[in-house]
Amino acid sequence: NAGVTQTPKFQVLKTGQSMTLQCAQDMNHEYMSWYRQDPGMGLRLIHYSVGAGITDQGEVPNGYNVSRSTTEDFPLRLLSAAPSQTSVYFCASSYSWVRLGLAYEQYFGPGTRLTVT
Amino acid sequence: GQQVMQIPQYQHVQEGEDFTTYCNSSTTLSNIQWYKQRPGGHPVFLIQLVKSGEVKKQKRLTFQFGEAKKNSSLHITATQTTDVGTYFCAAGGGADGLTFGKGTHLIIQP
Repeated sequence: NAGVTQTPKFQVLKTGQSMTLQCAQDMNHEYMSWYRQDPGMGLRLIHYSVGAGITDQGEVPNGYNVSRSTTEDFPLRLLSAAPSQTSVYFCASSYSWVRLGLAYEQYFGPGTRLTVT
Repeated sequence: GQQVMQIPQYQHVQEGEDFTTYCNSSTTLSNIQWYKQRPGGHPVFLIQLVKSGEVKKQKRLTFQFGEAKKNSSLHITATQTTDVGTYFCAAGGGADGLTFGKGTHLIIQP
């Protein structure tokens, strides 16, 4: 199993450009999510999905879109890149969402380092 | 989601010294997870605590969940250079899954 894969590893964008960060998992996990990590801010949830066709917003969704057409893939789209979106982006997956009030172990991808100039 | 505060933000220790990071919440947590992120790497799951007063050990690492389920700690005995990284706690069970603390950066001086 490859686990969670992300492409690209590095990306530089100009302000106003759009792009899609790719995320795929081969563990048949129901739950997938996107986080951004900024110095001193920890991991902040952008969007998440509890299954194919179902997505919802996290803590910091503005400027990002997601879709989940298959169980395996969960791409993150930046609509019009801004310097404030310079960050490291992590995709994560877990077996399921929350069951009986308990969360499942998250498996993280290697991350995408995005710089917006 | 459930909010968690982590302290300290940074911890410098000499190799061989012990290290502890704390995770606190104002509300009762259903469970708590701990992750480690090596410099330049991605977070990796360490453990999950569910029960009040639970204590779990992994070699030199000891994890505790408070009796009131509002706090947790990670203690590393006799740190080694391989322990360098950022340790995150994460609270689960909310409508949007996990909420991560801001992490404690462990810096080890040889």
